[in-house]
Amino acid sequence: NAGVTQTPKFQVLKTGQSMTLQCAQDMNHEYMSWYRQDPGMGLRLIHYSVGAGITDQGEVPNGYNVSRSTTEDFPLRLLSAAPSQTSVYFCASSYLSGRRYNEQFFGPGTRLTVL
Amino acid sequence: EDQVTQSPEALRLQEGESSSLNCSYTVSGLRGLFWYRQDPGKGPEFLFTLYSAGEEKEKERLKATLTKKESFLHITAPKPEDSATYLCAVIRLGGSQGNLIFGKGTKLSVKP
Repeated sequence: NAGVTQTPKFQVLKTGQSMTLQCAQDMNHEYMSWYRQDPGMGLRLIHYSVGAGITDQGEVPNGYNVSRSTTEDFPLRLLSAAPSQTSVYFCASSYLSGRRYNEQFFGPGTRLTVL
Repeated sequence: EDQVTQSPEALRLQEGESSSLNCSYTVSGLRGLFWYRQDPGKGPEFLFTLYSAGEEKEKERLKATLTKKESFLHITAPKPEDSATYLCAVIRLGGSQGNLIFGKGTKLSVKP
């Protein structure tokens, strides 16, 4: 299994440009999430999904859109990039197993710079 | 407000010098506490899950414990390869498995 994969690894955008960060997992996990990591702020949840066709907002959703048309893919869209969106973005997935909450598996991250 | 606080922010140890990292939490009904390790430039790597007070888990030189208000990650006789940032995260009552609340992490440096 490749686990959780993210593309691209690095990206530089100009203010106002749009782009999509790709995330895929091959573990047939139901849950997928997007986080951003900023110095001194820790990991903060942007959006998450509990299954294909179902998404919800996290702590910092403004400026980002998501959709989940398949179990495997969970792309994150920036419609009009702003310098405040300069960050490292991590995608994660998790699975259902009994009644307990299970750990999330993280991708390698995308480092985004908005000029 | 749900909150996870990790201390210290940074910790420097000599090789072989045991210590503990702290994760205190205030959430409305803990449903799981997770410890992760993160190396520079990489995604977090899962270490442990703890579900109830009194629970303990071990892996090599690491041992995680949980009380009703906090968790400790004990590092016994650390080696330089244990140097990393250690992250703590929780899921609260009513929270989704896709929705973790993270602390800001403790950056551990182990000198030979």
